[in-house]
Amino acid sequence: AQRVTQPEKLLSVFKGAPVELKCNYSYSGSPELFWYVQYSRQRLQLLLRHISRESIKGFTADLNKGETSFHLKKPFAQEEDSAMYYCALSGNNAGNMLTFGGGTRLMVKP
Amino acid sequence: KAGVTQTPRYLIKTRGQQVTLSCSPISGHRSVSWYQQTPGQGLQFLFEYFSETQRNKGNFPGRFSGRQFSNSRSEMNVSTLELGDSALYLCASSLVGGGGQPQHFGDGTRLSIL
Repeated sequence: AQRVTQPEKLLSVFKGAPVELKCNYSYSGSPELFWYVQYSRQRLQLLLRHISRESIKGFTADLNKGETSFHLKKPFAQEEDSAMYYCALSGNNAGNMLTFGGGTRLMVKP
Repeated sequence: KAGVTQTPRYLIKTRGQQVTLSCSPISGHRSVSWYQQTPGQGLQFLFEYFSETQRNKGNFPGRFSGRQFSNSRSEMNVSTLELGDSALYLCASSLVGGGGQPQHFGDGTRLSIL
């Protein structure tokens, strides 16, 4: 079975502060990990995926297989980063089934 | 390129009825997945279709079914509606059928059961 846990439902930081949204997973094989984001009144959209190893909007995430984690980080939060963030896992079965974490609402205060 | 389109946006039904939701994927995308989103359970996978075949199915009762047409458009059907079926139903499409592909989501259909 595969499982994704985001321990924080709400994370509130001030503009310019570092941000870390935590994600832990449970999966016996080699997972594909993603971060999806939903801004206010917008649809859910892909932010980044671990296989790309790229930085999007200043966010990065590193897959740590030893700790089974895929935390999302940004050194300096901006007000426009306020959104709902979902960590998701796709197993190495054939298909695009995503298992989502419960989500973390990030609020960046001015 | 137009995004994933879901119709209708809102639906109100009563217990015992059935409902059909529609999803048009991004042009060229052949994989369509469906998810249920509720405040209590979050985002849960329903099923995935690729080339008109159901490839994966989540842990939902048989009242939930779907299909995909030759143009990749997909429908999902829920029969004998229950109050607990009230949710936002999201459709997502991806370009190819391999695992771990980025998925593009629609705005969803909000289903309310009275």
